[in-house]
Amino acid sequence: DQQVKQNSPSLSVQEGRISILNCDYTNSMFDYFLWYKKYPAEGPTFLISISSIKDKNEDGRFTVFLNKSAKHLSLHIVPSQPGDSAVYFCAASAQGAGSYQLTFGKGTKLSVIP
Amino acid sequence: DTGVSQNPRHKITKRGQNVTFRCDPISEHNRLYWYRQTLGQGPEFLTYFQNEAQLEKSRLLSDRFSAERPKGSFSTLEIQRTEQGDSAMYLCASSFGLLEQYFGPGTRLTVT
Repeated sequence: DQQVKQNSPSLSVQEGRISILNCDYTNSMFDYFLWYKKYPAEGPTFLISISSIKDKNEDGRFTVFLNKSAKHLSLHIVPSQPGDSAVYFCAASAQGAGSYQLTFGKGTKLSVIP
Repeated sequence: DTGVSQNPRHKITKRGQNVTFRCDPISEHNRLYWYRQTLGQGPEFLTYFQNEAQLEKSRLLSDRFSAERPKGSFSTLEIQRTEQGDSAMYLCASSFGLLEQYFGPGTRLTVT
């Protein structure tokens, strides 16, 4: 039973264009969402997070959008750069329920083509 | 380097042997987490400490697994009587309070 789903295993985008990575969740107790980037042979690197009381959070080239009614979030990267090529993981936790463990999706491999 | 560190980075062991991994969190972080990642999957939660207290454990953490965090600083994860299915990347993360978790580089375990 996968509670966090990233349905696109891979995505290719031209340098300078927008990258949109999507994530769906099923557990209505999730109230805190994060995106991580991972390069091979390294641990995940935190990118950006959003609490369920917000619908948008922005940090430089990265913006996360949350649609609670649809149980959907997305990460926008504008403009995309070749160094953004990595695997991106969506993660969620139910902090309001006292659980701080992160539940991850399977990841989306982003390739930014120069 | 003030990030999360993990040792060793790689471990190859024979089935049935015991292994121990160490994690040193970011110094001011009071929460420490262990995850396991296998090929093609996202990290899966194993256990979590707040200071020295172990507060959450996943059903993935069988009786062969034990984790400690003495004095609320570094943590160790021990796997007894390793099995081939234990082969994975073991990731440690730390956080301050309820904020985002920062991950270490991981320990890759191969059980032959």
